[in-house]
Amino acid sequence: GAVVSQHPSWVICKSGTSVKIECRSLDFQATTMFWYRQFPKQSLMLMATSNEGSKATYEQGVEKDKFLINHASLTLSTLTVTSAHPEDSSFYICSAITTGGGPLAQHFGDGTRLSIL
Amino acid sequence: AQTVTQSQPEMSVQEAETVTLSCTYDTSESDYYLFWYKQPPSRQMILVIRQEAYKQQNATENRFSVNFQKAAKSFSLKISDSQLGDAAMYFCAYRTLYGQNFVFGPGTRLSVLP
Repeated sequence: GAVVSQHPSWVICKSGTSVKIECRSLDFQATTMFWYRQFPKQSLMLMATSNEGSKATYEQGVEKDKFLINHASLTLSTLTVTSAHPEDSSFYICSAITTGGGPLAQHFGDGTRLSIL
Repeated sequence: AQTVTQSQPEMSVQEAETVTLSCTYDTSESDYYLFWYKQPPSRQMILVIRQEAYKQQNATENRFSVNFQKAAKSFSLKISDSQLGDAAMYFCAYRTLYGQNFVFGPGTRLSVLP
């Protein structure tokens, strides 16, 4: 089945630093990837939609300059949290969808737990 | 805009028993897709089952089945012969026919009692 690899799985860093999270589709080409944020005991909140070769589309209320998304190839999207602060601590999940239509499900990475001290 | 509601924040079931998780949604579309995802403590999102709205037959995957009532905009998940490994958060999700993104419900936390 389709596999999405997300790295790192857990990162702890100091306030003010930038953190990059990678999302890779291992055995399929993903024209579109999604980035979600999940607070404890809550549902997934879509942050942005990332299309290969074009600028990401951000959801309302998500700061573009804070959460930089790059989708440079059909198998890799990155999320960079710039100048991270404690309020950015959360669980971040990426997902990828294969090309074509139909009832294709999103394939999720295992998530990244980000802790900002 | 589409919305997905899961009215049961928490549910519990005895091992080997059957439990039904409810999901309702709101849409003006006639064709769309519905999904149930499971998120265990590891927090990995696992696809449980999917349903195409244009299919009247309810989807089934082993111990998991759905009751899809299109007119009522209801999409419940039935878990038969519940196992300890079924304990998780369950999210109902909606996707338009030609869209790509999902709209997720708030989730139901399922506990399985030995």
